[in-house]
Amino acid sequence: AQKVTQAQTEISVVEKEDVTLDCVYETRDTTYYLFWYKQPPSGELVFLIRRNSFDEQNEISGRYSWNFQKSTSSFNFTITASQVVDSAVYFCALITTGGYNKLIFGAGTRLAVHP
Amino acid sequence: GAGVSQSPSNKVTEKGKDVELRCDPISGHTALYWYRQSLGQGLEFLIYFQGNSAPDKSGLPSDRFSAERTGGSVSTLTIQRTQQEDSAVYLCASSPRDRQETQYFGPGTRLLVL
Repeated sequence: AQKVTQAQTEISVVEKEDVTLDCVYETRDTTYYLFWYKQPPSGELVFLIRRNSFDEQNEISGRYSWNFQKSTSSFNFTITASQVVDSAVYFCALITTGGYNKLIFGAGTRLAVHP
Repeated sequence: GAGVSQSPSNKVTEKGKDVELRCDPISGHTALYWYRQSLGQGLEFLIYFQGNSAPDKSGLPSDRFSAERTGGSVSTLTIQRTQQEDSAVYLCASSPRDRQETQYFGPGTRLLVL
């Protein structure tokens, strides 16, 4: 079975703090894709990153970085020097190759960044 | 370019009525998806279209739910005889041919069944 677990329901930080959002996934497939989406208060899901199972290289995009570790089935997301605009619900998701591109989402982590 | 658009933004209906939700994907995107986001169930997959055909309808919760896509573009999700448990945000996404796993979402339709 495929599953995504985001154990952190809510995180609250003060602006400029670094914060890491955890994501653990389960799949028996050897080929799969992992994603992070951001859902700000407006409600629209915004695509942040896609990573395939054969590429364990970590990625950095501005203040955002992602750490993919197959050994622990984790795909964690770090925001450096957080800002109030980062306040949103963040979803980790999984697609497996036999799944017709069906996104399997975690429950989401609500991040509140306070001034 | 324009993103995925959905209409209406909000819909309030009475239990037992039928509703139609519309999705206009990003131009040129071949795949289209419907998801539902509710408080109790999180984000759930409903149906996937490749062109006008739907190879995966596994997520439709009951036979009251149906969807179609015409001309490889606009899609309509229809809920017949709505129930209160159908209240949720219905999200549509589309993806391009060369990167079908990467889905871009619309703003959603918030449905409230009274």
